[in-house]
Amino acid sequence: KQEVTQIPAALSVPEGENLVLNCSFTDSAIYNLQWFRQDPGKGLTSLLLIQSSQREQTSGRLNASLDKSSGRSTLYIAASQPGDSATYLCAVSTNAGKSTFGDGTTLTVKP
Amino acid sequence: GAGVSQSPSNKVTEKGKDVELRCDPISGHTALYWYRQSLGQGLEFLIYFQGNSAPDKSGLPSDRFSAERTGGSVSTLTIQRTQQEDSAVYLCASSITPEGNTIYFGEGSWLTVV
Repeated sequence: KQEVTQIPAALSVPEGENLVLNCSFTDSAIYNLQWFRQDPGKGLTSLLLIQSSQREQTSGRLNASLDKSSGRSTLYIAASQPGDSATYLCAVSTNAGKSTFGDGTTLTVKP
Repeated sequence: GAGVSQSPSNKVTEKGKDVELRCDPISGHTALYWYRQSLGQGLEFLIYFQGNSAPDKSGLPSDRFSAERTGGSVSTLTIQRTQQEDSAVYLCASSITPEGNTIYFGEGSWLTVV
């Protein structure tokens, strides 16, 4: 059974700081890994999708890496802004149609 | 539509009543997913559809929960004889295919059972 763990559960940083969120998973036989953002009371917004054959994906100030063999992914956020405050979730797909989500990291960026 | 649409956005129901939650996926997306998120909890997989068929129903919590999809488009999640522990946000998502594509989520249906 796939298990996904995100560390830390919560993180508070001053504006402008670079930061790294971590995601680990137990079953390395994955289709892909996806990072999402969830704002309070809202649905999930996809940030980055990394296929199992890829090592990283970049979008603007976000960079996600994937080390499938070690069961790890990181989400790097450069030059953080207050608008980045949200909960960040990673999801791993090991069977077609089923993704297992971590519990998320709640990020607060202080002005 | 432009995104995944869910209705109702909020529903308060009395214990024991049945509820229906609707999801309208992005046009052309063959895969549709239902997840549940309880307060302060992570996402719990319920069921996914490929077209109108549901290859994986393993996440449905009990036989009070059922889902269907018609015309390869709209899906309905039905909860019969609701219980207080059913209170949660029910999130629907869709993707072009089940394998390897970005998953797009709706805003969710907030269900409160009183």
